[in-house]
Amino acid sequence: QQQVKQSPQSLIVQKGGIPIINCAYENTAFDYFPWYQQFPGKGPALLIAIRPDVSEKKEGRFTISFNKSAKQFSLHIMDSQPGDSATYFCAASIQGAQKLVFGQGTRLTINP
Amino acid sequence: DGGITQSPKYLFRKEGQNVTLSCEQNLNHDAMYWYRQDPGQGLRLIYYSQIVNDFQKGDIAEGYSVSREKKESFPLTVTSAQKNPTAFYLCASSIRTGSSYEQYFGPGTRLTVT
Repeated sequence: QQQVKQSPQSLIVQKGGIPIINCAYENTAFDYFPWYQQFPGKGPALLIAIRPDVSEKKEGRFTISFNKSAKQFSLHIMDSQPGDSATYFCAASIQGAQKLVFGQGTRLTINP
Repeated sequence: DGGITQSPKYLFRKEGQNVTLSCEQNLNHDAMYWYRQDPGQGLRLIYYSQIVNDFQKGDIAEGYSVSREKKESFPLTVTSAQKNPTAFYLCASSIRTGSSYEQYFGPGTRLTVT
């Protein structure tokens, strides 16, 4: 119940395409859902986060869509660029909890 | 310049030796964390600390130890009891925003034990 399942494991998209990374959870007590971007050899960077009271959040070219009834959330990258090639992690936490539960990561490659 | 620093970036040790990884933050965050990342894998929580002089085990604490004597510092010791210590180690700290805690990561230390 504490798991967050992330898919796909890897994804290759042409430049300008819209990669979509999906995450699913079971624990309805989760109420904070961040996404992290990690480049090789670097620490993950907080990209964007959403709470269940909204269905969508946009920051620049990155959009989170949230489906509370399906217990799923996804990351969309508009007008993807080769510089977006990285590993992306979704995560979730329970209200007031200091620990995050991470998905397994998606290795995204944007071809020029 | 605020942030989380981890040193060194690369660390090499012989099997059987204990090694301590440094993590310092000047963000005034209360909570700090240590994660382990293996190639192509996700993040696994080793230990975390919510306040000074207090810490809790994460999912894979065996073979590791920590201390939290200062708010800014959360060093991790990889002991000789850790069977597969070679990995990328990430330190993080968090700040409360509303009902949640935003976690921010350091640059990581790559430990190689031979």
